[in-house]
Amino acid sequence: KAGVTQTPRYLIKTRGQQVTLSCSPISGHRSVSWYQQTPGQGLQFLFEYFSETQRNKGNFPGRFSGRQFSNSRSEMNVSTLELGDSALYLCASSPGAGLYNEQFFGPGTRLTVL
Amino acid sequence: AQTVTQSQPEMSVQEAETVTLSCTYDTSENNYYLFWYKQPPSRQMILVIRQEAYKQQNATENRFSVNFQKAAKSFSLKISDSQLGDTAMYFCAFINNNAGNMLTFGGGTRLMVKP
Repeated sequence: KAGVTQTPRYLIKTRGQQVTLSCSPISGHRSVSWYQQTPGQGLQFLFEYFSETQRNKGNFPGRFSGRQFSNSRSEMNVSTLELGDSALYLCASSPGAGLYNEQFFGPGTRLTVL
Repeated sequence: AQTVTQSQPEMSVQEAETVTLSCTYDTSENNYYLFWYKQPPSRQMILVIRQEAYKQQNATENRFSVNFQKAAKSFSLKISDSQLGDTAMYFCAFINNNAGNMLTFGGGTRLMVKP
């Protein structure tokens, strides 16, 4: 089985722009979670989608949003980019919801905001 | 809210020796999982080992084992026979069984295995 894929792998944007990141989960997985990794704040949970519905949301401003499509692929969008949004954005997929399922991480998208 | 603390920002160990990474957590939940993830320079997050809170027996995976002390809320990782490929960031993480797939991570420990 192919692993979790994230596109693009690297992205450079300027302040005020918006960006969309994509995550394709492992085939058959229905849950997709997003995490932000920065040197200062570490790894922080953004949100989780299951069957096209947001199930959990972390403590991030409304500029951060996401969605999930019927094929379980997920996108996250950051509007009005700030310098502090520069980070590695990790996506993780797992088979289902409810009791814990092991999460498999993608390689990440490195976003740089200038 | 859950918190996870890793008190050792950096550690080093000689190849073939044993090293222990520390992790403490705080939660009011009773039903949860704990994990150790490895993030090598490639940045790919890899699950090393997991422990269900309801299990008293410590988890082991080949050279990796944990010391889970539920009352003390402690969850350390022991790496035996360290290999150069073990060089990476190691993250301790927590998940509440009732909160879906929302991982709470510690700050990480950078481990360097020296030849």
